[in-house]
Amino acid sequence: GQNIDQPTEMTATEGAIVQINCTYQTSGFNGLFWYQQHAGEAPTFLSYNVLDGLEEKGRFSSFLSRSKGYSYLLLKELQMKDSASYLCAVRHTGGGNKLTFGTGTQLKVEL
Amino acid sequence: DTEVTQTPKHLVMGMTNKKSLKCEQHMGHRAMYWYKQKAKKPPELMFVYSYEKLSINESVPSRFSPECPNSSLLNLHLHALQPEDSALYLCASSQDRGQEAFFGQGTRLTVV
Repeated sequence: GQNIDQPTEMTATEGAIVQINCTYQTSGFNGLFWYQQHAGEAPTFLSYNVLDGLEEKGRFSSFLSRSKGYSYLLLKELQMKDSASYLCAVRHTGGGNKLTFGTGTQLKVEL
Repeated sequence: DTEVTQTPKHLVMGMTNKKSLKCEQHMGHRAMYWYKQKAKKPPELMFVYSYEKLSINESVPSRFSPECPNSSLLNLHLHALQPEDSALYLCASSQDRGQEAFFGQGTRLTVV
């Protein structure tokens, strides 16, 4: 089975840095994705990790530790438009393209 | 073209109706997905097609019937749905096994 956990809600200030954590327990791990989803819209891809370490892409970075079953998404220089739900998703081994989403973190950016 | 297009955007149907949701992509992706998303919940996988063949069915009730007529199209046929099936239905596609998935804007379905 699988279990993917994230904090339900977070609040941060415009211009600040925020870290959103994701822990997972899964039988057969083959990569972790982060998606952003604004209310009423489709999820959009942010980052992908399959090896341990940090992947940086502009204001967004994502970190993975496979031994700890842990990932985080780091958002720098927060903007009001970053207020959204952030979803981590685990890809499973065994083929078939199975992607399971975590519970999602609702981020609110305030002035 | 990096879009996944879903139609219709909104659908209201009765419990005795038959309707279909459509999804189209022209990115050459060979994997296509249907997800169901309830309010304030993450997307839940329903079906995966790889190379036009059904590879995953997450124990979805038979009132949902997927179809992949060709590599660009994915349909979800709906029949005898229940009010609890009301949700946002998302289609996604990816280049191959496990690559990032691109999502469509979804169909907001209401069953009355």
